[in-house]
Amino acid sequence: EIVMTQSPVTLSESPGGRATLSCRASQSISSNIAWYQQKPGQAPRLLIYDASTRATGIPARFSGSGSGTEFTLTISSLQSEDFAVYYCQQYSNWLRTFGQGTTVEIK
Amino acid sequence: QVQLQQWGAGLLKPSETLSLTCAVHGGSFNGHFCNWIRQSPGKGLEWIGEISHRGTTKYNTSLRSRVTISLDTSKGQLSLRLSSVTAADTAIYYCAIGRRPAGWYWSGWFDPWGQGSLVTVSS
Repeated sequence: EIVMTQSPVTLSESPGGRATLSCRASQSISSNIAWYQQKPGQAPRLLIYDASTRATGIPARFSGSGSGTEFTLTISSLQSEDFAVYYCQQYSNWLRTFGQGTTVEIK
Repeated sequence: QVQLQQWGAGLLKPSETLSLTCAVHGGSFNGHFCNWIRQSPGKGLEWIGEISHRGTTKYNTSLRSRVTISLDTSKGQLSLRLSSVTAADTAIYYCAIGRRPAGWYWSGWFDPWGQGSLVTVSS
């Protein structure tokens, strides 16, 4: 099983600020990673797949990068609706696994 | 726009069988991989398994002995059965369409997701 480790656990940032979230895979997954946003009481929403491709309707302030074992999700200018929990997920192996999440909270 | 709606029993006793159904609206499951994923405070997001439109299944090794996923494409309904539940199976269960990279034998990312079904196992 590929273990996905996210950091930090919690990120405190001000509206308008820049958020950088990290995800590390326990072995190389090429670019086979997706990122999701989850708000309280809602299902996760797809943001990014193939490490850097934005899903339909996702604003350009969300960007993804990385390959191999190190990946980053960047939110360039935080809007009020961006404060939420973010998860990474690998699909390099058929046993798909998720990270434990990073909470982006208002500073 | 494809939407998934799910339903099923929310309160079970230990040893009972969990049963959930997911229906697609505004589209179909044809050509897609259909997945079940659960979320609990203790284990976070956990992929349960998937079924292809042709009926091929893959299950998480940790649940394989207890889980069955089935698909009725004529009704546009996906089902999950998990037998012999315990308190550890208490979670929010989601159905989701898995998007398959070209040439792959399993789905990659999940989009969209159902609204989630809270299942509590308690005596």
